[in-house]
Amino acid sequence: EDQVTQSPEALRLQEGESSSLNCSYTVSGLRGLFWYRQDPGKGPEFLFTLYSAGEEKEKERLKATLTKKESFLHITAPKPEDSATYLCAVQAPYSNYQLIWGAGTKLIIKP
Amino acid sequence: GAVVSQHPSRVICKSGTSVKIECRSLDFQATTMFWYRQFPKQSLMLMATSNEGSKATYEQGVEKDKFLINHASLTLSTLTVTSAHPEDSSFYICSALGKGNYEQYFGPGTRLTVT
Repeated sequence: EDQVTQSPEALRLQEGESSSLNCSYTVSGLRGLFWYRQDPGKGPEFLFTLYSAGEEKEKERLKATLTKKESFLHITAPKPEDSATYLCAVQAPYSNYQLIWGAGTKLIIKP
Repeated sequence: GAVVSQHPSRVICKSGTSVKIECRSLDFQATTMFWYRQFPKQSLMLMATSNEGSKATYEQGVEKDKFLINHASLTLSTLTVTSAHPEDSSFYICSALGKGNYEQYFGPGTRLTVT
């Protein structure tokens, strides 16, 4: 069964404390994995797309990596404004456009 | 680039009335848009795929006569919730497929409350 599992469900960090969020996936023939950030009461904001194992992408304090089974979103020296829910999704094998979503990780950065 | 807007951001309506939500791609043309529904503390649930100039494709369990979708132009898709009931209260989010890739860009969402 095609599915995406994110862990942990919630993560509380002190400002400046680096950590990683995990996104495990089981899908036949990965064609794309996406990371989004969602603030409360807002739509998701696109962060990264990863296509093949070994690929890495960075944006400010965030770095996304991809293996054949999972993706990590590394957060370096986070700030309170990085607090949000981070969503992972993979492109569905049966569609060019549809995504299979994880449940998200709620990240809280305490000052 | 890749900005998507939604209107209204919040709407309260009475049971039995209809509500229309607009989704616009502001700086790009989107032949494909998506409508999602999101319940509190849950992930996104795809309701339908909207293609410009053709009928929308609905996900299993989504009533097409209740959730009317019109994608009349390359920058506008609308979702009309007909004969709304309290159980239709939710956060509705649209997205547009970016040009030349498979990334979806999301609108800010519409909070619908049916009383």
